[in-house]
Amino acid sequence: GENVGLHLPTLSVQEGDNSIINCAYSNSASDYFIWYKQESGKGPQFIIDIRSNMDKRQGQRVTVLLNKTVKHLSLQIAATQPGDSAVYFCAETPYGQNFVFGPGTRLSVLP
Amino acid sequence: DSGVTQTPKHLITATGQRVTLRCSPRSGDLSVYWYQQSLDQGLQFLIQYYNGEERAKGNILERFSAQQFPDLHSELNLSSLELGDSALYFCASSVGASGYEQYFGPGTRLTVT
Repeated sequence: GENVGLHLPTLSVQEGDNSIINCAYSNSASDYFIWYKQESGKGPQFIIDIRSNMDKRQGQRVTVLLNKTVKHLSLQIAATQPGDSAVYFCAETPYGQNFVFGPGTRLSVLP
Repeated sequence: DSGVTQTPKHLITATGQRVTLRCSPRSGDLSVYWYQQSLDQGLQFLIQYYNGEERAKGNILERFSAQQFPDLHSELNLSSLELGDSALYFCASSVGASGYEQYFGPGTRLTVT
């Protein structure tokens, strides 16, 4: 199946460089934020999450930063690899009562 | 492979018809979530069930309904289908009720003609 959102913002990075994907969220009551990766023809895949009482969380090659003052979330991918090429979505939820996804960013890794 | 299964993979039907999408969560997960993904609306949360009970509701139309059975599998029923209902429908599951760490299935692609 084709990817959703053929006109998504695209970030192109060289293999081996770091990637930063940004997301603005809307609900100041949201207490939990998630980043998902969606490859062509597949469902979203959980990457990393962060709760509102934190401003940074690290995983394997990924870091999520949360700035509640300006309602901004970012995903940093270190040493970007071809397998990282996908659409990345941020999502927010206020206490699990609703889940709102951002429009997505397409990451393209150049050889 | 997330461990979440969805059937069917593809579904083609006509306007006005009714369809049922099925989801089996990962072993041990008590929550099931349904999402719709379309080109113009992006990913939209529809509804969540936890251990058989409805827990949270998003942008689900009245023509749509869902349920979670005692064996924890879930079905999403879509009726009086319209062309605009054509989309990918995803099911996700998680261990608890709060929506943390959801694992998505491969989706059902619905085409309404």
